[in-house]
Amino acid sequence: EAQVTQNPRYLITVTGKKLTVTCSQNMNHEYMSWYRQDPGLGLRQIYYSMNVEVTDKGDVPEGYKVSRKEKRNFPLILESPSPNQTSLYFCASSRLAGVNEQFFGPGTRLTVL
Amino acid sequence: LAKTTQPISMDSYEGQEVNITCSHNNIATNDYITWYQQFPSQGPRFIIQGYKTKVTNEVASLFIPADRKSSTLSLPRVSLSDTAVYYCLVGDLGFGNEKLTFGTGTRLTIIP
Repeated sequence: EAQVTQNPRYLITVTGKKLTVTCSQNMNHEYMSWYRQDPGLGLRQIYYSMNVEVTDKGDVPEGYKVSRKEKRNFPLILESPSPNQTSLYFCASSRLAGVNEQFFGPGTRLTVL
Repeated sequence: LAKTTQPISMDSYEGQEVNITCSHNNIATNDYITWYQQFPSQGPRFIIQGYKTKVTNEVASLFIPADRKSSTLSLPRVSLSDTAVYYCLVGDLGFGNEKLTFGTGTRLTIIP
């Protein structure tokens, strides 16, 4: 089954404790991205990747890191999480960039205390 | 991506046809119009995409006038399960539009 998986689905952590949210797709897609969603602010792109070893900032990259060492995986790293990073996070992938159909993961609800 | 404008929210009754309009005055020649649907706590789901005139699938129809400066997503005979946020995106198919902006979309509420 074609899908995007994220782990963990729920995470409660404390300020400053490094964490990684994994994202994996099985569709051989070149384009992957991370979004965060907050009430009233819609869906905002954090980082995106055009292909392996090619990543770039989205609209809200501060406090986040990503890597794309393999085509299927695109982890999101919070080196020192802060409470303002409490949010719902989505990973997505598409065959190419642009407005090609994006497939979204189930989301990760992160709470930083 | 082209800048888009859509209503913040809409209400409709069950069984009605719902039309959500998206304005995109600076659409470029190579741009396509794409709509997504998002239910609470789920990721958005692609529902329809078009370039001109009319596109129809099992979920919705997309109407695009000749000047392509706006588009209308039409949901026939809505039910409570159509309550969701709908996003309009306008851009090309991978030739330069790497950054994507979904915005806040249109929150559609279906009333019993």
